[in-house]
Amino acid sequence: AQSVSQHNHHVILSEAASLELGCNYSYGGTVNLFWYVQYPGQHLQLLLKYFSGDPLVKGIKGFEAEFIKSKFSFNLRKPSVQWSDTAEYFCAVKGLEYGNKLVFGAGTILRVKS
Amino acid sequence: NAGVTQTPKFQVLKTGQSMTLQCAQDMNHEYMSWYRQDPGMGLRLIHYSVGAGITDQGEVPNGYNVSRSTTEDFPLRLLSAAPSQTSVYFCASSYSPSGGYNEQFFGPGTRLTVL
Repeated sequence: AQSVSQHNHHVILSEAASLELGCNYSYGGTVNLFWYVQYPGQHLQLLLKYFSGDPLVKGIKGFEAEFIKSKFSFNLRKPSVQWSDTAEYFCAVKGLEYGNKLVFGAGTILRVKS
Repeated sequence: NAGVTQTPKFQVLKTGQSMTLQCAQDMNHEYMSWYRQDPGMGLRLIHYSVGAGITDQGEVPNGYNVSRSTTEDFPLRLLSAAPSQTSVYFCASSYSPSGGYNEQFFGPGTRLTVL
């Protein structure tokens, strides 16, 4: 079975600090990888996704993620966070042999202090 | 397009009551799913459907039923509500049921409290 681990449940940063949120998955086959964001009071929105090709993926709002197959990782990064990045971030993995079922990590709550 | 819509937004039930959470999408997506979101546990798949007339269980199906009579609608029924079902419920849809290159679109969620 697939599983997804997000290393930090709560992260607090000051504005302009750099961000890296860890995500590791346990599935060894072909995967699609996603980061979703949930702003306070809102529903999940897609930040970025990896299907194939360049392992460095750029998403919306200055976020990027790098797929490292050998490490089963898909860490999310942003060079300089803003107060408006305060949200909960979810990593999700879809193993192609498991159909279209997404498996989510537990989420990381990011609070950016202004 | 309205995307994925869910009703109600909030609901309070007493233990033992039943209710149906509604989900509809207007994107002609074949795949629809229900998740529950609990603090520290991320989103867990309850049930999913790869097309009208086809449903299957996810990770946490107990206490929930679904049906898919049309492509657009995918209601989730709580048969006899329990406090452990207090959660936020999200419906999602995507284009291809076959694990292809697509993302899931989420509805705004239903916050359910069972007393």
